[in-house]
Amino acid sequence: QLQLQESGPGLVKPSETLSLTCTVSGGSISSSDYWWGWIRQPPGKGLRWIGTIYYSGSTYYNPSLESRVTISVDTSKNQFSLRLTSVTAADTAVYYCARLDNPSGWFDPWGQGTLVTVSS
Amino acid sequence: DIVMTQSPDSLAVSLGERATINCKSGQSVLSSSNNKNYLAWYQQKPGQPPKLLIYWASTRESGVPDRFRGSGSGTDFTLTISTLQAEDVAVYYCQQYYTTPPTFGQGTKVEIK
Repeated sequence: QLQLQESGPGLVKPSETLSLTCTVSGGSISSSDYWWGWIRQPPGKGLRWIGTIYYSGSTYYNPSLESRVTISVDTSKNQFSLRLTSVTAADTAVYYCARLDNPSGWFDPWGQGTLVTVSS
Repeated sequence: DIVMTQSPDSLAVSLGERATINCKSGQSVLSSSNNKNYLAWYQQKPGQPPKLLIYWASTRESGVPDRFRGSGSGTDFTLTISTLQAEDVAVYYCQQYYTTPPTFGQGTKVEIK
């Protein structure tokens, strides 16, 4: 059974860089059938797609965040990562990783999510 | 971006009764090449990640009870819970994957009356 688990600091200072990693278990991130994505959810609010990556390194980003986002993949560790620069309080959210069957498909399964708070 | 609008924002339904959630997309998500609607539904319980219920607008994910039914085409879609159970209390989201970026509705909270 495929499982995803997010990890990283729960507190980031304003103007600094948010870095998270998603570890995939129970399956290979190098599968040619799937893509891997990040989604976030501010407390009490809705869901927003951040971006998606293929095992080859091909990426798609949400234009609203593209200037600050980098998603990378490490197939040797079965992980993919998110970097978001110049964070503000508006970036406070639960960050989820998930699998997709194409760059902007449906998301299934999801990781449990990790809350990242931006505060000094 | 395709804007997804759900209605109502919340609803309270008695146990065993029907719950109906609507989702409207700002443009059609029906592909003329394969005649499929690029629309998914998720259920999110408190403190949990979203769970995929339905994709292609009406295909239930494996293991999802058949009381959950997705319908609609083009720009107007509906998620129906035929007989509400206590464990169905959650927020439900629709999502289009017709174009990038994929976008979600604002969510509909379902409670027990």
